[in-house]
Amino acid sequence: QLQLQESGPGLVKSSETLSLTCNVSGASITTLNYYWGWIRQTPGKGLEWIGSVYYTGSTYFNPSLKSRVTISVDASKTQFSLKLKSVTAADTALYYCVRDRGTTVTPSLYYGMDVWGQGTTVTVS
Amino acid sequence: DIQMTQSPSSLSASVGDRVTITCRASQSISTWLAWYQQKPGKAPKLLIYKASTLESGVPSRFSGSGSGTEFTLTISSLQPDDFAIYYCQQYNTYSKTFGPGTRVDI
Repeated sequence: QLQLQESGPGLVKSSETLSLTCNVSGASITTLNYYWGWIRQTPGKGLEWIGSVYYTGSTYFNPSLKSRVTISVDASKTQFSLKLKSVTAADTALYYCVRDRGTTVTPSLYYGMDVWGQGTTVTVS
Repeated sequence: DIQMTQSPSSLSASVGDRVTITCRASQSISTWLAWYQQKPGKAPKLLIYKASTLESGVPSRFSGSGSGTEFTLTISSLQPDDFAIYYCQQYNTYSKTFGPGTRVDI
């Protein structure tokens, strides 16, 4: 059974870089047509998609965050990672990693985010 | 950006009730809409995609409909396990966006 687990610092200083890793177990990160993504949730803005990566390294991002986001995949370690630079208090959130079934670049071949990690809280101080 | 709204923002219902939640998009999104359920302290769970396709393992009391700009999630007979927050999410555009959620309480 596929499981995702986020890890990383729970506290990040303002203006620094937030770094999170998602460990994938129970399935291959190189499975065709599955992307791997990040979502965050705050009481104020609700759920916000950050971006997604394919095992080849192909990425697509939320335009509002694109300039600050890097998402990469390490298939050998069955992990993918999020880096968000120049953080502010507005980046304080609960961060989830997810399996994205397809890409919304082709909506007809997209089937939703079917597996989620438990989430990790990141506070920017 | 496509904006998503949901109504009502919250509702109170009883076990056995038929519940309908509406999601509206600021522009047409065809049928590119998903619904998620979130319980306290848990990650969201995918219920429906492509507006009306039920995710595997989701009870048949859940159904979705709509196209264009207006969509509905219906729970035909509310069960104790269904008290949660429900979110719609559009994926018509490159960027996915979520609605603000509808809380279903007892």
